[in-house]
Amino acid sequence: GAGVSQSPSNKVTEKGKDVELRCDPISGHTALYWYRQSLGQGLEFLIYFQGNSAPDKSGLPSDRFSAERTGGSVSTLTIQRTQQEDSAVYLCASSPLTDTQYFGPGTRLTVL
Amino acid sequence: GEDVEQSLFLSVREGDSSVINCTYTDSSSTYLYWYKQEPGAGLQLLTYIFSNMDMKQDQRLTVLLNKKDKHLSLRIADTQTGDSAIYFCAESIGNTGKLIFGQGTTLQVKP
Repeated sequence: GAGVSQSPSNKVTEKGKDVELRCDPISGHTALYWYRQSLGQGLEFLIYFQGNSAPDKSGLPSDRFSAERTGGSVSTLTIQRTQQEDSAVYLCASSPLTDTQYFGPGTRLTVL
Repeated sequence: GEDVEQSLFLSVREGDSSVINCTYTDSSSTYLYWYKQEPGAGLQLLTYIFSNMDMKQDQRLTVLLNKKDKHLSLRIADTQTGDSAIYFCAESIGNTGKLIFGQGTTLQVKP
């Protein structure tokens, strides 16, 4: 079956603009995670969704970052008023429960 | 807090065995993982081990877990040039299963 897909694969934006990144998890996976990979910080957890439960937002770096998951499937990560330090690869992963996570190819975000 | 440490670089010759080491701090981790990342690509799950196991073997891959010392290792037998990549160790944390990653070990395989 299809793996985790993310779009766009690359996004270049200007400082101060808002961006939306999309993740389509593996069908049937109830858990969805967002991570960020950057040169300075490595791989960092951002947010976790599980079914209809309240998300774990403990990894979001600032209130400019938000995410939602509609219908328990597709998720959108939104970054408002982007800054240059937001430049990174944003990775989405899904899992059947809260065990093995399968990652998408990522969205490379460049903020000019 | 939670922390995962790995050495940054390993160079081996083709055909040799590679051993990548990792230490972690959270003794309550349920699963520990190894992911592989090739240039420009996403994270590929290689293997994982449940915390009550000492060893897991999967073809050329052997994972050893020393829970007392919080030490995890990945051994790749008969290393090939296609194994050149960055290898990440990760531990799952708490009820959410969120992953805490090491910095990644770059494996260079020389022909």
